[in-house]
Amino acid sequence: GAGVSQSPRYKVAKRGQDVALRCDPISGHVSLFWYQQALGQGPEFLTYFQNEAQLDKSGLPSDRFFAERPEGSVSTLKIQRTQQEDSAVYLCASSLVTITDTQYFGPGTRLTVL
Amino acid sequence: GENVEQHPSTLSVQEGDSAVIKCTYSDSASNYFPWYKQELGKRPQLIIDIRSNVGEKKDQRIAVTLNKTAKHFSLHITETQPEDSAVYFCAASKGVTGGGNKLTFGTGTQLKVEL
Repeated sequence: GAGVSQSPRYKVAKRGQDVALRCDPISGHVSLFWYQQALGQGPEFLTYFQNEAQLDKSGLPSDRFFAERPEGSVSTLKIQRTQQEDSAVYLCASSLVTITDTQYFGPGTRLTVL
Repeated sequence: GENVEQHPSTLSVQEGDSAVIKCTYSDSASNYFPWYKQELGKRPQLIIDIRSNVGEKKDQRIAVTLNKTAKHFSLHITETQPEDSAVYFCAASKGVTGGGNKLTFGTGTQLKVEL
């Protein structure tokens, strides 16, 4: 079946612009995660949804970052007033159940802020 | 919070040799340890995982061992092939009811298998 998809795959923004990144999880997956991966580093946790509820947003680096999953399926990560340090690959992952189950990753969105 | 350290950062082996990558974690409550393979520009893909009630798990040429007392786990790849060349990440999480299993990743190991 279809895996996790993300769009756009690449995004170039001028500093100060707002961006929106989309994640389509595997159908029926309850849990959805957003991670940020800087160049040459491992992914770092940003936020977690269980269905439509955002249960953990401890990894969001500032109040410029906002995520939502209003109907419990598609999720959007929004970054306001982008800064150069926001440049990274943003990965989305989903899993079927809530505790210790395999996370399937999407291909990521590479954000470059000029 | 959890901290995961991974060594080595780069590893070069000859085709057919074995490769070992080691990780340590800090939070004794962690109970799930997956390994991901990431090729350049691609998504991380799960290659094997282990839960804390098991000490070792094997899948063909890949094996993972877990030492809960020492809080370390290792990935073993035998009979390496050129297509094994990639960056490998270890990760750790704890299953917290209602909290999800967010992963804490290591910094990655660039494995190069030379002909």
